[in-house]
Amino acid sequence: DSGVTQTPKHLITATGQRVTLRCSPRSGDLSVYWYQQSLDQGLQFLIQYYNGEERAKGNILERFSAQQFPDLHSELNLSSLELGDSALYFCASSVASHGSEQYFGPGTRLTVT
Amino acid sequence: GQQLNQSPQSMFIQEGEDVSMNCTSSSIFNTWLWYKQDPGEGPVLLIALYKAGELTSNGRLTAQFGITRKDSFLNISASIPSDVGIYFCAGRHGGTSYGKLTFGQGTILTVHP
Repeated sequence: DSGVTQTPKHLITATGQRVTLRCSPRSGDLSVYWYQQSLDQGLQFLIQYYNGEERAKGNILERFSAQQFPDLHSELNLSSLELGDSALYFCASSVASHGSEQYFGPGTRLTVT
Repeated sequence: GQQLNQSPQSMFIQEGEDVSMNCTSSSIFNTWLWYKQDPGEGPVLLIALYKAGELTSNGRLTAQFGITRKDSFLNISASIPSDVGIYFCAGRHGGTSYGKLTFGQGTILTVHP
C-alpha cells in the first residue's frame, strides 16, 4: 500500500459525458501528479500540482482539467468523453515539487462506451 | 509523447536465472527510476538513481545510472516467481519540468518455476 488513495476504482460512462476522478496523496506529500496509461500510449504524464498550484503540464487534452484543494487532495475532471479516453488513470504523490520518488495510487479504470 | 526506449519488450526465464533490462534516451535525465507494476495495480517504486555512474541495490535488484546520463540498467539476480510483472524505467529532466516523469514502454517478465 503506497498510501495514495484513488476513487473510484472503476468507472463506466458514455461518450460525451463528464467524470471526476479523486486522489488523496500520502500524508505529508505536497505534490500530486496525474498519469494516463493506455495500451497504445503507455504511461503518459498529464499534470502536476504542488501545494495547490499547477507546476508542470504534459500532453493533457483541453477537455481535461485538474485542481488541488487546500487539504491537498486532487481531482481530475474529464469532459466530452470519447472512446479513446478509456484508460487507467493514476495519481502519484511526492514530498517535493521536483519530486523524483513518486508513489502511485491503485488507479481508476475508465471505460467509455 | 516522448518515451524512453526500453528493452527487451518481454522476457521468459527460468526461476533462479538473472535478468537484465535497460533504457536509453536521446536526451539527458537528472534522475532515473525503476518501477514494477502488477496487473490491476499502480506502479511500485523499486530504485531511484540521482548521479551519473551511481550503482544502487535493493535486495536482489541492482540498477545503474549511465555515465552519459542517457541510459540506465536494471538487473535482477536469482529470479523467483513473484518477480513476474511489468518493469518500467522512468526519467526526470528536472528544471522547469519539475516532477514530470517520462516512462519507457515496459519489460514484461515471466518467470517459469
